[in-house]
Amino acid sequence: AQTVTQSQPEMSVQEAETVTLSCTYDTSENNYYLFWYKQPPSRQMILVIRQEAYKQQNATENRFSVNFQKAAKSFSLKISDSQLGDTAMYFCAFMKHTSGSRLTFGEGTQLTVNP
Amino acid sequence: DAGITQSPRHKVTETGTPVTLRCHQTENHRYMYWYRQDPGHGLRLIHYSYGVKDTDKGEVSDGYSVSRSKTEDFLLTLESATSSQTSVYFCAISEPRLAGQYSTDTQYFGPGTRLTVL
Repeated sequence: AQTVTQSQPEMSVQEAETVTLSCTYDTSENNYYLFWYKQPPSRQMILVIRQEAYKQQNATENRFSVNFQKAAKSFSLKISDSQLGDTAMYFCAFMKHTSGSRLTFGEGTQLTVNP
Repeated sequence: DAGITQSPRHKVTETGTPVTLRCHQTENHRYMYWYRQDPGHGLRLIHYSYGVKDTDKGEVSDGYSVSRSKTEDFLLTLESATSSQTSVYFCAISEPRLAGQYSTDTQYFGPGTRLTVL
């Protein structure tokens, strides 16, 4: 069974600064996906970024980037130039590299961006 | 926007009553999922579907059933609702291949349904 751990229940950052959210996971799989989802107060689950384990290059999406360390089973999310709209709960999630597999989520990190 | 709607968006019901939640998608995605979200647990899979009439259980399936008679609709039924089923329910879709704006095997979520069982 897979587990995902987010050790920071809450974090805060000043607008325009950079913040890093941590995620570690445990699995015996060699090929898998990792995701970060964002859940703002509207409750909508929004995909932020996706990483395939066989790709060594870290994924980036505009201001969002990851630091994927496969051997350490670590998958952190870096948000650059933080904006007020980034305030949300962020979930790290794991999925086997098999179509139709379930997502295993961490418990989330509540990020607050302060003006 | 993955073209996913959920209905109702909010529902309050009483213990012992049947409840059906509907997930509707407009883009013929093959896989559909039902998750529940509870404080301290993130999201957990209830059931999923890999095609019309093809469904399987997730990690928290007790007390729930599902049906998928059409590609676009995936129904979640609580046969006799209990207070422990008070939760926020999310539907998701995915495709096993790259399809337009949708990444392979990536799950995209609907807006959620808040269910309260009194």
